[in-house]
Amino acid sequence: GDSVTQMEGPVTLSEEAFLTINCTYTATGYPSLFWYVQYPGEGLQLLLKATKADDKGSNKGFEATYRKETTSFHLEKGSVQVSDSAVYFCALSGGGSNYKLTFGKGTLLTVNP
Amino acid sequence: DAGVTQSPTHLIKTRGQQVTLRCSPISGHKSVSWYQQVLGQGPQFIFQYYEKEERGRGNFPDRFSARQFPNYSSELNVNALLLGDSALYLCASSLQGASYNSPLHFGNGTRLTVT
Repeated sequence: GDSVTQMEGPVTLSEEAFLTINCTYTATGYPSLFWYVQYPGEGLQLLLKATKADDKGSNKGFEATYRKETTSFHLEKGSVQVSDSAVYFCALSGGGSNYKLTFGKGTLLTVNP
Repeated sequence: DAGVTQSPTHLIKTRGQQVTLRCSPISGHKSVSWYQQVLGQGPQFIFQYYEKEERGRGNFPDRFSARQFPNYSSELNVNALLLGDSALYLCASSLQGASYNSPLHFGNGTRLTVT
């Protein structure tokens, strides 16, 4: 079945540091890929998305490129802020089941001033 | 515009009891999905309903059931609660299914604690 693997957390960075959170996936067919963010006490918010190979999703300074050859969708940001502290989830839909999202376990990011 | 609303926000139940969680989707959204998020894990898919019909079901026991009403709101029911059912239950709505063209919008969830 479909699956998503994220780098283990927690990740702790200083403000203005570079961020990378690794995500790889296994799926049949050609899934759509997503990054969701969950701030403390809140539900998940869609951060960015990509639907086909080599597409780059971007939002709020975050970027991720759909790499079919390495089945990866790594999240990057050049300069993190304290307000970016949250849990980040990589997810996919499509492949074998277009009606649901399959999530990774999440990566907790803490940014210190 | 109002987002996805869920009620109650917190709930404490005893093993063996039954619970009903409620969800109102974003206006105009016809699809509602339910996810279970155990502490420290990613959300796990439970159900999706579209136009009042079950479109998909995750790997959960028959103790879990759901329905969607004509106004597209939804209820999730869990019978014979177990300690392992303690989790954050997330409802999400979308225009259609969970696809690039119809991303999911999540509510803040219902925190269920089973003692």
